[in-house]
Amino acid sequence: GQQLNQSPQSMFIQEGEDVSMNCTSSSIFNTWLWYKQDPGEGPVLLIALYKAGELTSNGRLTAQFGITRKDSFLNISASIPSDVGIYFCAGQGDYKLSFGAGTTVTVRA
Amino acid sequence: DTAVSQTPKYLVTQMGNDKSIKCEQNLGHDTMYWYKQDSKKFLKIMFSYNNKELIINETVPNRFSPKSPDKAHLNLHINSLELGDSAVYFCASSQMDRVETQYFGPGTRLLVL
Repeated sequence: GQQLNQSPQSMFIQEGEDVSMNCTSSSIFNTWLWYKQDPGEGPVLLIALYKAGELTSNGRLTAQFGITRKDSFLNISASIPSDVGIYFCAGQGDYKLSFGAGTTVTVRA
Repeated sequence: DTAVSQTPKYLVTQMGNDKSIKCEQNLGHDTMYWYKQDSKKFLKIMFSYNNKELIINETVPNRFSPKSPDKAHLNLHINSLELGDSAVYFCASSQMDRVETQYFGPGTRLLVL
């Protein structure tokens, strides 16, 4: 199957900080996605990217679709306590999503 | 107004037993999925159904059998449960032409003893 490498695996951040995480793939994807999973719940779609080079924002979140179509990054600006959770990148191909291993974010108040 | 619901939320059972997990979506979607999330939080697709027809089966043991009685329901039956089946199982749904926008259920936490 397609392998997505997500980093960092986990991070502790100070409230108010900006943070970045990224995802790389051995395969090309036509669509890159970022999902967030809150503790005890299912993942929720944050941002969808459809074109290479595309930069998209959703509130304090900004994500970019890499030019090579093999990578993407997600930035969170001015983090707040509710940003806690696991962030997953995903690539879409063949009517299914392949997920990265997730970045666990913990915010220090 | 739950969009994707799963039952039960928790399931504790003995090795060798057979169990079922149910999923229902009220979003009018035509495609439903089962995912397995292991203890390291890795999320992997198991099955996908479109209009009650199986379209994805990702190298899952035969002990797992999905059943879709209609577009709004996708159940997962597991025979002869093994210790390694312990995980969180998520149901999701989407429109076939919007696979990227999947709505996930709250998950079923399965523990096999």
